[in-house]
Amino acid sequence: NAGVMQNPRHLVRRRGQEARLRCSPMKGHSHVYWYRQLPEEGLKFMVYLQKENIIDESGMPKERFSAEFPKEGPSILRIQQVVRGDSAAYFCASSSSLPGRQGIIETQYFGPGTRLLVL
Amino acid sequence: GQQVMQIPQYQHVQEGEDFTTYCNSSTTLSNIQWYKQRPGGHPVFLIQLVKSGEVKKQKRLTFQFGEAKKNSSLHITATQTTDVGTYFCAGRVSGGYNKLIFGAGTRLAVHP
Repeated sequence: NAGVMQNPRHLVRRRGQEARLRCSPMKGHSHVYWYRQLPEEGLKFMVYLQKENIIDESGMPKERFSAEFPKEGPSILRIQQVVRGDSAAYFCASSSSLPGRQGIIETQYFGPGTRLLVL
Repeated sequence: GQQVMQIPQYQHVQEGEDFTTYCNSSTTLSNIQWYKQRPGGHPVFLIQLVKSGEVKKQKRLTFQFGEAKKNSSLHITATQTTDVGTYFCAGRVSGGYNKLIFGAGTRLAVHP
C-alpha cells in the first residue's frame, strides 16, 4: 500500500519562474493538506482540499499561490513568480475520515516533501 | 488566532537522560496528535489523545493530555540516539474540521 507520494523531491527555480508541486494521496484518501516548513521552523498549514473543492485556504498567501485537487490525478500546489522567501520544504498530507467526527482517529499521513530552492 | 505553543525549542541530553516537551493551546482542543520528524525526513504520526486527562504509553514514550484539554506533554525515559529528531504536537480545535494547528516543535539532540 503506497504511502503519500510527492514529486519532485527537490526543485530548483530562479526568481520569477513557476513552481509546480504534486501530491498523490494514499489510496482511498480523499482529503489533502499542504504545509510549508521553513528551515528550523514548524509546519504551517496552507490549504485543505477535497476532490474538486478547496475547503480551507486560510493559510495560503493571497497572491502567487494556488492549489487544486482535480477529480482525476494528483493535487497540485502552484507557486507563480517565485521569490527567495518561497524556499522551503512543502509537505502534503492525506487522510481518509470525514471532517468533524469527534473521537475518530483522523491521522494525517505525510509525504516525503518537496524541497524548493529559489535562486 | 488559534495557537499552539511548544517548549522548549531545543533540548540537548546525554544518552540515558529523560526528556520532556510541552504543548499549550490558547483554546480548548478536541484532540491532540504528536508527530516525530527525523532530520531531513517528514513528520510521522506517533499518537492521538482525545479524552481529558488521558495518558498513553508507547515503550519509553509517555503522552499526556491535560484535564482542560488545553495542554499536552511527551516524556521520553532514558533517551537513546534513535530518539533524535523534532517532536511536534498538533491540536485540533473543538468544533473544527480536520485542520491541525502545529506547535513549532522541540528539537531533541542526544549525545552518546
